[in-house]
Amino acid sequence: DTGVSQDPRHKITKRGQNVTFRCDPISEHNRLYWYRQTLGQGPEFLTYFQNEAQLEKSRLLSDRFSAERPKGSFSTLEIQRTEQGDSAMYLCASSAGLAGGKGTYNEQFFGPGTRLTVL
Amino acid sequence: RKEVEQDPGPFNVPEGATVAFNCTYSNSASQSFFWYRQDCRKEPKLLMSVYSSGNEDGRFTAQLNRASQYISLLIRDSKLSDSATYLCAVNRNFNKFYFGSGTKLNVKP
Repeated sequence: DTGVSQDPRHKITKRGQNVTFRCDPISEHNRLYWYRQTLGQGPEFLTYFQNEAQLEKSRLLSDRFSAERPKGSFSTLEIQRTEQGDSAMYLCASSAGLAGGKGTYNEQFFGPGTRLTVL
Repeated sequence: RKEVEQDPGPFNVPEGATVAFNCTYSNSASQSFFWYRQDCRKEPKLLMSVYSSGNEDGRFTAQLNRASQYISLLIRDSKLSDSATYLCAVNRNFNKFYFGSGTKLNVKP
């Protein structure tokens, strides 16, 4: 499968715990995006990377959220001290940028998401 | 004001009908436009990019109206399998993307 993959697909945690999600983009893609989606809403931008550089973070992203893409390939999103309001689907997407690969420059392809439930 | 707005629907149409959705965007500097389809509890899947000249893919036609700042999606000859939520997305400076909340379509036999 040459699509975007995410792990885990589901995560249930207790309030106050830390969680980490992983995203593997389409291999040729150099842009990687994280979104959060709640029921009845569209994906909400969190942050994005071009290669290993984090170029933008949403103002909505509190300091409990951190994302990395250390080698410009896979990325991790960590949420510290989770709160019930963090319960959502966390989506990762990638796009070709200037590197080429599937899709045009900024067509994004999404992974299956990680569904987080905070009890 | 939201960056991107869509009528949430639902649009309930019979099979074979033609249905159209609009999506308005607030920032005139938006440069790229997309339609995604999202099935219940699944990820969004790219349906089509929207070009200035409009584009068509089979039963689907997308149009861009920069003057009025909206994009549209027309689905002809609706199929049961077209039932889904349709999300529009806009992009500025080829960086951050803004998504609408989606329009739900139910195609009924």
